Amino acid sequence: GQQLNQSPQSMFIQEGEDVSMNCTSSSIFNTWLWYKQDPGEGPVLLIALYKAGELTSNGRLTAQFGITRKDSFLNISASIPSDVGIYFCAGQLGSGGSNYKLTFGKGTLLTVNP
Amino acid sequence: NAGVMQNPRHLVRRRGQEARLRCSPMKGHSHVYWYRQLPEEGLKFMVYLQKENIIDESGMPKERFSAEFPKEGPSILRIQQVVRGDSAAYFCASSPHSTEAFFGQGTRLTVV
Repeated sequence: GQQLNQSPQSMFIQEGEDVSMNCTSSSIFNTWLWYKQDPGEGPVLLIALYKAGELTSNGRLTAQFGITRKDSFLNISASIPSDVGIYFCAGQLGSGGSNYKLTFGKGTLLTVNP
Repeated sequence: NAGVMQNPRHLVRRRGQEARLRCSPMKGHSHVYWYRQLPEEGLKFMVYLQKENIIDESGMPKERFSAEFPKEGPSILRIQQVVRGDSAAYFCASSPHSTEAFFGQGTRLTVV
């Protein structure tokens, strides 16, 4: 089956620093999604990407859909303490039957030191 | 517009009992998905349902697990004769169409 490799597994940064994390896949996806999960909560959708090469921002977050459709990255600029959490990438094949399901990476644990 | 509602948030069951997890999708959403998350792991797809239909259950164990999304009422994930390995967080997500699934807060199942 499809697998997503997400890196790094964890990051420890100082408040104000920029952060970058990425996901690579062994196969093509037609949609990439980035989620953040706080302890004891469900994943919250941050950014959705639908086109190869697309670059999308949401406040201090920027994500890109790789040209090959096998990768995506997420950048967080000027980190703040509330950015702490686990960030997951997820890929989706697209429309049609079972292609709706999401394949998740294992997550990047972000710790921000004030 | 309320988000995806899951209950209970926490569920403790003894080995051999049944667990019933409920999910009410967001208003207007007809697609429901169930995912399982083990500690320090990503979410793994279990089943995808639309009203009264199971579209894809390829991620669901063949034995003891079942899911439904009736015409009226919430979606139910049912686990019969639970075992310790079933302990996990179970998340429901809904979407109005094919993309942008929104997740509930999850049900943490502990089997003792």
